[in-house]
Amino acid sequence: EPEVTQTPSHQVTQMGQEVILRCVPISNHLYFYWYRQILGQKVEFLVSFYNNEISEKSEIFDDQFSVERPDGSNFTLKIRSTKLEDSAMYFCASTPGLAAYEQYFGPGTRLTVT
Amino acid sequence: QKEVEQNSGPLSVPEGAIASLNCTYSDRGSQSFFWYRQYSGKSPELIMFIYSNGDKEDGRFTAQLNKASQYVSLLIRDSQPSDSATYLCAVNMGGYSTLTFGKGTMLLVSP
Repeated sequence: EPEVTQTPSHQVTQMGQEVILRCVPISNHLYFYWYRQILGQKVEFLVSFYNNEISEKSEIFDDQFSVERPDGSNFTLKIRSTKLEDSAMYFCASTPGLAAYEQYFGPGTRLTVT
Repeated sequence: QKEVEQNSGPLSVPEGAIASLNCTYSDRGSQSFFWYRQYSGKSPELIMFIYSNGDKEDGRFTAQLNKASQYVSLLIRDSQPSDSATYLCAVNMGGYSTLTFGKGTMLLVSP
């Protein structure tokens, strides 16, 4: 069964450093998403991506964040200058689109900012 | 403010019982509703989705939707200890494809 994959599983970085989180969505899916979950809190939407551009973004997704689909398979989230409060699990999700709205999540990347 | 509300629990049920999990949402125009299961330290796993009023059954799981009451529920029949997890209710609100999640209900199934 196709799955969303994410790398790395755990990333430790120092405050102010740039990080890139990588995702490979399910191959025939059209919509891609990033969510985050701070420990003990609910899953929060960051950004959605369709047809090589951002379709929606939340208030959390400020100028420090960017997304890219550099090739036909990868989908990346970049945080330019990490803050302590960026420490969280980051989940990539994808959905077939075209009237199918079910989102399938990857295993996540745990980001720890020290 | 778009909200999805769930009782945080824990909801404790004995093995073999029916577990009933509830969720309310604020946006009357919401169209798509999802239940995810999340084990500690893991990602959300989609277990049910429902788009129309009424019941939808899949194995031991039944999702129930009442749009007039802005209420969606998940029933788990013949609960097993392996069902012990946090169950997340998620809703597409405002015509957007993004999901708004509740905080989740922790379910504990005792042998």
